[in-house]
Amino acid sequence: LAKTTQPISMDSYEGQEVNITCSHNNIATNDYITWYQQFPSQGPRFIIQGYKTKVTNEVASLFIPADRKSSTLSLPRVSLSDTAVYYCLVGVYNTDKLIFGTGTRLQVFP
Amino acid sequence: GAGVSQSPRYKVAKRGQDVALRCDPISGHVSLFWYQQALGQGPEFLTYFQNEAQLDKSGLPSDRFFAERPEGSVSTLKIQRTQQEDSAVYLCASSRDRGGETQYFGPGTRLLVL
Repeated sequence: LAKTTQPISMDSYEGQEVNITCSHNNIATNDYITWYQQFPSQGPRFIIQGYKTKVTNEVASLFIPADRKSSTLSLPRVSLSDTAVYYCLVGVYNTDKLIFGTGTRLQVFP
Repeated sequence: GAGVSQSPRYKVAKRGQDVALRCDPISGHVSLFWYQQALGQGPEFLTYFQNEAQLDKSGLPSDRFFAERPEGSVSTLKIQRTQQEDSAVYLCASSRDRGGETQYFGPGTRLLVL
């Protein structure tokens, strides 16, 4: 599975838009990009998944450029409750196991 | 149930003790996964079941780790002769089917080996 690189931590304030970028230079043709969110003392939670261009749901947007060597998770107008660790995962769509990196620890301040 | 549940939520064991961690997946979910998460790290895959069949156990760190899902629903992760390096959060996840379905995680069991 493609290795991912993302910032260790990010800080933001309530109401701001947060963009977390993930690098995956060795992404394969049949790899998808998936983001998970994890709050303290909880298991990870699926946020969004995409293959190319842009995907949007009620929680976030995922931007993937044409070369797919990176992706950006965009969280609009964050609140304190968005403080969590965000993981970028890259892998074949029908893979059975998830390969997590160390994630990005987002801290939202009032 | 509404989500994946795990028990116990916390477990303290003396080194050398055996422990058993339980996972109740979402009803009807075919696939079940176990992950180990060390402090400050992302979860690491341990093993995977499709119904009662254990299809992948490549992540189990040693032969002291054993997992089963005899009836294709509840699963138990057993760790024999626990060591201090086994201290971690053990996460269980289930998905409706295999093939890229979203995995739903439980809250985890935090194991501390003294």
